[in-house]
Amino acid sequence: DQQVKQNSPSLSVQEGRISILNCDYTNSMFDYFLWYKKYPAEGPTFLISISSIKDKNEDGRFTVFLNKSAKHLSLHIVPSQPGDSAVYFCAASGDNNNDMRFGAGTRLTVKP
Amino acid sequence: DADVTQTPRNRITKTGKRIMLECSQTKGHDRMYWYRQDPGLGLRLIYYSFDVKDINKGEISDGYSVSRQAQAKFSLSLESAIPNQTALYFCATSPGGLSYNEQFFGPGTRLTVL
Repeated sequence: DQQVKQNSPSLSVQEGRISILNCDYTNSMFDYFLWYKKYPAEGPTFLISISSIKDKNEDGRFTVFLNKSAKHLSLHIVPSQPGDSAVYFCAASGDNNNDMRFGAGTRLTVKP
Repeated sequence: DADVTQTPRNRITKTGKRIMLECSQTKGHDRMYWYRQDPGLGLRLIYYSFDVKDINKGEISDGYSVSRQAQAKFSLSLESAIPNQTALYFCATSPGGLSYNEQFFGPGTRLTVL
């Protein structure tokens, strides 16, 4: 069973606009959430994370929001740039890094 | 030079063959992981190791085995490959100690089992 779900396989936005990528989880024991970005022919690279004691974490153009009651998190990219075009994976972990679960990924395309 | 390397990058093999995928890291991390990626399923954990003497099964370990030869090396073996093991395989590392460490991934190995 998929404990982390990314229901949108793809998203297309115009350069300069906001990109919003969504992620839902089912396991209430998850308390740390990460976003990874993956370019073709490369491994995923860490982008941003948030722990369950926070509801927002910001790093430059990237902001992650966490709604624990809804078991939902989102990644906002503002402004979106063509170089942001990649597959984005949401991941969630309990109290050990060994049980990290990944979503299926969302392919973001930012059009010039 | 890449911090996490995987060999081979691509491999085509036949059903029943034994295959070994290798991972090396220069990051000095204690923890190493093997994942597979399938379309629509994301990354799923196969095995993980917190140090040379500590090997643990992940979510989908059946049909796979691993060897941690040194802190820097973690190999994944398919004893008798089958077509549904066709996937993209990733090795990852993370530092020990803290629970919530980001993982650093290798470039992946694309394996096709005919």
